[in-house]
Parts: sequence; structure tokens; C-alpha cells
Amino acid sequence: KQEVTQIPAALSVPEGENLVLNCSFTDSAIYNLQWFRQDPGKGLTSLLLIQSSQREQTSGRLNASLDKSSGRSTLYIAASQPGDSATYLCAVPTGTASKLTFGTGTRLQVTL
Amino acid sequence: GAVVSQHPSWVICKSGTSVKIECRSLDFQATTMFWYRQFPKQSLMLMATSNEGSKATYEQGVEKDKFLINHASLTLSTLTVTSAHPEDSSFYICSAGVTNEQYFGPGTRLTVT
Repeated sequence: KQEVTQIPAALSVPEGENLVLNCSFTDSAIYNLQWFRQDPGKGLTSLLLIQSSQREQTSGRLNASLDKSSGRSTLYIAASQPGDSATYLCAVPTGTASKLTFGTGTRLQVTL
Repeated sequence: GAVVSQHPSWVICKSGTSVKIECRSLDFQATTMFWYRQFPKQSLMLMATSNEGSKATYEQGVEKDKFLINHASLTLSTLTVTSAHPEDSSFYICSAGVTNEQYFGPGTRLTVT
């Protein structure tokens, strides 16, 4: 059974700092990994999707890397802003139906 | 593109009543939709996979007779929480799959009093 863990569970940083969120998964036979953002009481916003053949993907201040062999992915956020405050979730597809297994999440707070 | 909507966005109901939540793909067709449940400060847990024209596939531990799923068309799936109880209070999120990517609805907050 695929298990997805995220570290740290919570993080508070001052504005402007660069930060790294970690995601690990137990079954490396994945064909992609997705990072999402969730604001309190809201749905999910897809940030980045990395295919298994890729090692990293970039969108603006966000950079996600994937190391399948070690079962790890990182989300790097550059020059953090208060608007980045949210919960960040990673997820991997499980089985043939593309259902997602979500990580435990990292609650990020960026302070002024 | 790839917008998924949910209705209602929030609902309060009395214990013992049933509540229906709709999930629609607005600008694409989805043969498969997924229903997730999220308790406060926890991650999303998959409840069931909804397949157009066939029965839903439920995850282990999810009561199919309590959480009725109907996928009547390629753009609509519904989740009905039957005989709701306070422990069913949660945030319910649906998603629709397009190739290898999923697009999520905004969620429905259910509170059972």
C-alpha cells in the first residue's frame, strides 16, 4: 500500500526566505507526482505535475524535483510571500484508475 | 479549461436526513470522477471512484449503502450521504480525471447537527 509522508508538518518563515517542502513515498512505481496548494476551507489548486521521466518542473517561484529511486520529491519556494501561506499537499497516482494518494500535508505560514 | 464545480459549497442538515452533493466537469467530459473526504487538519482520503454508466468502486472501510454515488453522465457525478450523522460532518471534494491529471472541485462543507 502506497504511503505518502510530508515533512515538516508545519512551517513558519519570515517573508523573503527560500524554503523547501519534502514529500516521500513508499512505492516508487509511480508515473507522476503532483503538488497542490489548499487554502483554508477551500479546494485544491494544482501547482506542478512531474512526470516520472522528469527530474524537475518549474513554475514561477516554484520548483519541484522528483527522485523516484529514493521515493522523494521536494517543492522549493523562492522568495516566499505572505500570499504563499497555505497547506501544501503532494500526491501520487495509485493503481490503474489514477486515484491519488495524498501526503499528510505541510501547513506553511509566511509572516511579514 | 478543466474546471470542476461542486454544489452546494456548504450545507447544514439534521441528523438522520440525506444530503446530495453534485460534482460537474464544466468544459470537459470525465468518464471517471473521484470523491474524497477531508477532516479538519487532515489530508484528503479517497472514498470512491465514480465511473460513468457503472457502479462506483469504494475504498476499504467506506460504506457503499451510506455514501451513494451516481455517475449519470460524462459531466455529472453525485454523492448522497444517507441518514447523515454528526460524524459525517466533513469537507467533501470531488475530482475529475483527464489523461493522467486530476482537476479538483472547490469542495462542499457538510455539517450534521
